[in-house]
Amino acid sequence: DQQVKQNSPSLSVQEGRISILNCDYTNSMFDYFLWYKKYPAEGPTFLISISSIKDKNEDGRFTVFLNKSAKHLSLHIVPSQPGDSAVYFCAASPNSGGSNYKLTFGKGTLLTVNP
Amino acid sequence: NAGVTQTPKFQVLKTGQSMTLQCAQDMNHEYMSWYRQDPGMGLRLIHYSVGAGITDQGEVPNGYNVSRSTTEDFPLRLLSAAPSQTSVYFCASSRGTGHEGYGYTFGSGTRLTVV
Repeated sequence: DQQVKQNSPSLSVQEGRISILNCDYTNSMFDYFLWYKKYPAEGPTFLISISSIKDKNEDGRFTVFLNKSAKHLSLHIVPSQPGDSAVYFCAASPNSGGSNYKLTFGKGTLLTVNP
Repeated sequence: NAGVTQTPKFQVLKTGQSMTLQCAQDMNHEYMSWYRQDPGMGLRLIHYSVGAGITDQGEVPNGYNVSRSTTEDFPLRLLSAAPSQTSVYFCASSRGTGHEGYGYTFGSGTRLTVV
């Protein structure tokens, strides 16, 4: 059973517009969430994270929103740039004992930002 | 350069052969993990380690062994390669301990083909 779901395999947006990537989870033990970006032939790169005690975390053009009651999080990119074109992975961990070492990943969403 | 180094980048094995994928990090991170990425499957955890001398199984451990004799190194051994182990393998390390804003640092991956 997939515990972290990214239901949109792909998303296409225009440069300068907002990109919204969504992620749902089923395991109520998850309380730390991360987003990674991955270019072809490279390893995933950490983007932004949020713990369950917050509902929003912002870092420059990237904002992650967490709705714990709905078990849903989203990544907003504003404004989108062509260099943002990549696969975005949502990941979650139980954060047991204060550690975030055991990540469960979604299948990823391919974002394409068109000039 | 600081980071996670994986070798080799590419490898072709025959069914039944064994090999070791190397992973080294120079950031003095406590936590290290191995993931595999298959098309349409996201990243799945194979084995992880929370410190030298301590390892544990992840989601898909069968057919793989690990050891952690030093903080820096976390090799992954394929005991008897099978075509189902054809995948891209990523090693990652983390400072862990629930630091928000900090996630795993990934290596650039090893693309393994078993024929």
